[in-house]
Amino acid sequence: DQQVKQNSPSLSVQEGRISILNCDYTNSMFDYFLWYKKYPAEGPTFLISISSIKDKNEDGRFTVFLNKSAKHLSLHIVPSQPGDSAVYFCAASAIFQGGSEKLVFGKGTKLTVNP
Amino acid sequence: NAGVTQTPKFQVLKTGQSMTLQCAQDMNHNSMYWYRQDPGMGLRLIYYSASEGTTDKGEVPNGYNVSRLNKREFSLRLESAAPSQTSVYFCASRPQGRVEKLFFGSGTQLSVL
Repeated sequence: DQQVKQNSPSLSVQEGRISILNCDYTNSMFDYFLWYKKYPAEGPTFLISISSIKDKNEDGRFTVFLNKSAKHLSLHIVPSQPGDSAVYFCAASAIFQGGSEKLVFGKGTKLTVNP
Repeated sequence: NAGVTQTPKFQVLKTGQSMTLQCAQDMNHNSMYWYRQDPGMGLRLIYYSASEGTTDKGEVPNGYNVSRLNKREFSLRLESAAPSQTSVYFCASRPQGRVEKLFFGSGTQLSVL
C-alpha cells in the first residue's frame, strides 16, 4: 500500500506565480516530513522539513504546511522561478516498534515553471 | 568537498551478469542507504546501514546484497542481474539522528538487457 501519496504527477505554473505541491499520508505514526528536489541526472537534494509539532515552516520562498487531522502537507513556492523546475519528492518518517525508523517517499511531482 | 560519490554513472549488463555499485562518502556520516528510482515509483529503499558493521533490508532487497566495507564505503552487488533491476540507483548518507537530512549521490543508471 502507498503510505505517502503525491497524486499529481506533474504541475505547470507561470514564472512569478505560486506553486503548490501536495502530499497525503496514511499512517498517523509519521511525525516528521521532508521535501526533496531532484534535477535530471542529479541526486535528490533536501529542500525543507517540518515536525508534526508544527503546522508551518518557512525558508525563503519555500513554505511547508502540515494539516495533521487531514494527514496532508503542502509545499508552497512563492514566487516560482524557472530554476525551480524539477521533480519534488515528499517523504515521511516515523519510529516504529523496536526503535527502527521508516522513511517513505512519495512518487514525486514534476514541476515546470514557464518563463 | 565531494559529498557522496557513486561509480559507475552508467552501466549496461546482460541478464545473469553480476556487478557491484560503489558508494563512498567523505562527511563522516554513520548511516548509509541504497535506493532505486523507477518511473512512477518514487524512491524505494533497497538496503541500509545504520552504522559501520551493520546492514538491514529495506523495502525491495530481493536480488541485491550489500557490504559496509568501512565507515566511508557502502557497496551494492547484483549477483545475477535481471531486466527488472533496470533502474537508477542512488546512494545516500546521513549523520546520526533521524531529523538529519539525507545527502544523495548523483546516481547510477543501470540497464539490464
